[in-house]
Amino acid sequence: DAGVIQSPRHEVTEMGQEVTLRCKLISGHNSLFWYRQTMMRGLELLIYFNNNVPIDDSGMPEDRFSAKMPNASFSTLKIQPSEPRDSAVYFCASGDGGRSYNEQFFGPGTRLTVL
Amino acid sequence: EDKVVQSPLSLVVHEGDTVTLNCSYEVTNFRSLLWYKQEKKAPTFLFMLTSSGIEKKSGRLSSILDKKELFSILNITATQTGDSAVYLCAVEKGNYQLIWGAGTKLIIKP
Repeated sequence: DAGVIQSPRHEVTEMGQEVTLRCKLISGHNSLFWYRQTMMRGLELLIYFNNNVPIDDSGMPEDRFSAKMPNASFSTLKIQPSEPRDSAVYFCASGDGGRSYNEQFFGPGTRLTVL
Repeated sequence: EDKVVQSPLSLVVHEGDTVTLNCSYEVTNFRSLLWYKQEKKAPTFLFMLTSSGIEKKSGRLSSILDKKELFSILNITATQTGDSAVYLCAVEKGNYQLIWGAGTKLIIKP
């Protein structure tokens, strides 16, 4: 199993541009979590899905952020328009939710820099 | 408000020393507590604790949970430079959310 796959690994963009981050879950997993990590704020949960349904999006900073799961194995996190304060590492993690899970499997992250 | 507090924020020790990292929490609908190690990239899972007083061990690492006093500790004995990392504690709630602590940055000097 290739594990959780994220793309791109690095993204540098200018303020105001649209950014789309992608995540492919581990086969058979049905929980998907998007996190953001910065030095100042640590690891923050943005949104999580269970069986393709967004369960809790209370961590999404504002309307500029949106996340989707068009199918059971794939998710996107979109920022439009991007701002310098969005610069962070964005992690996607998958788990076999539906019961208390032992662990989340994190992807390698996408390092986003907004100039 | 749910919170998970880790201490110390950072720690520098010499190789061979033993370290104890702390995680205290105030979380409604507690389900489990998890420890992760984060080196340069993504966090990797270490332990999940659900019951008080039962120690989990993996090599030189061990962890225990106290659900009455609402804390957990992570012990690392005979530390090695490869143990240098940020150690993250997270508490799982009943709705599958994880509430994360800020982490303890551990530096092991040769």
